[in-house]
Amino acid sequence: GESVGLHLPTLSVQEGDNSIINCAYSNSASDYFIWYKQESGKGPQFIIDIRSNMDKRQGQRVTVLLNKTVKHLSLQIAATQPGDSAVYFCAGGTGGFKTIFGAGTRLFVKA
Amino acid sequence: SAVISQKPSRDICQRGTSLTIQCQVDSQVTMMFWYRQQPGQSLTLIATANQGSEATYESGFVIDKFPISRPNLTFSTLTVSNMSPEDSSIYLCSVEDHGGVTGELFFGEGSRLTVL
Repeated sequence: GESVGLHLPTLSVQEGDNSIINCAYSNSASDYFIWYKQESGKGPQFIIDIRSNMDKRQGQRVTVLLNKTVKHLSLQIAATQPGDSAVYFCAGGTGGFKTIFGAGTRLFVKA
Repeated sequence: SAVISQKPSRDICQRGTSLTIQCQVDSQVTMMFWYRQQPGQSLTLIATANQGSEATYESGFVIDKFPISRPNLTFSTLTVSNMSPEDSSIYLCSVEDHGGVTGELFFGEGSRLTVL
């Protein structure tokens, strides 16, 4: 079956440092991967996505890396800010629009 | 992007009762998705709701327990039937946007149900 999971349930970083959140997946047939941010009391919010034929994609302060050899996905947040404190989910999907979510990592940013 | 409104935002329900959650989107969308997020957990897809056809349920979810309506391209409801404390969760409505590189999902704020 398809599953997307995370290495660490929580991550604590100092404000201004870079954060790296990791994710492993099992389904090599996933067409795309997406990182979502969920703040308390809200629905998940899109951060960045990457197609399976790419290995890196950059956004504003965020970079997603995809290593298909080891089925690993990471989200890098540069200069982490208090507003980045949230739960981060990786998700994978295929054509047919069925998106599977990973377990989530809670990011704490220390001031 | 799509803006999604859900009602109720939260409710406390008695065991054995049923509750209907409403989801309104500010634009017409083909598919709407219902997810469940149990406390401290990730999101699990319950079903996909297409306008004009029966909803497609994921493994472990059945229509009798989670009936879904999709009367038009901007609205859907999810009913949680015969509730038990195990149904205490956040229920999230989402839609997909194909304007980006991949199938980005937009979510409502969620409906937090507590079953006593």
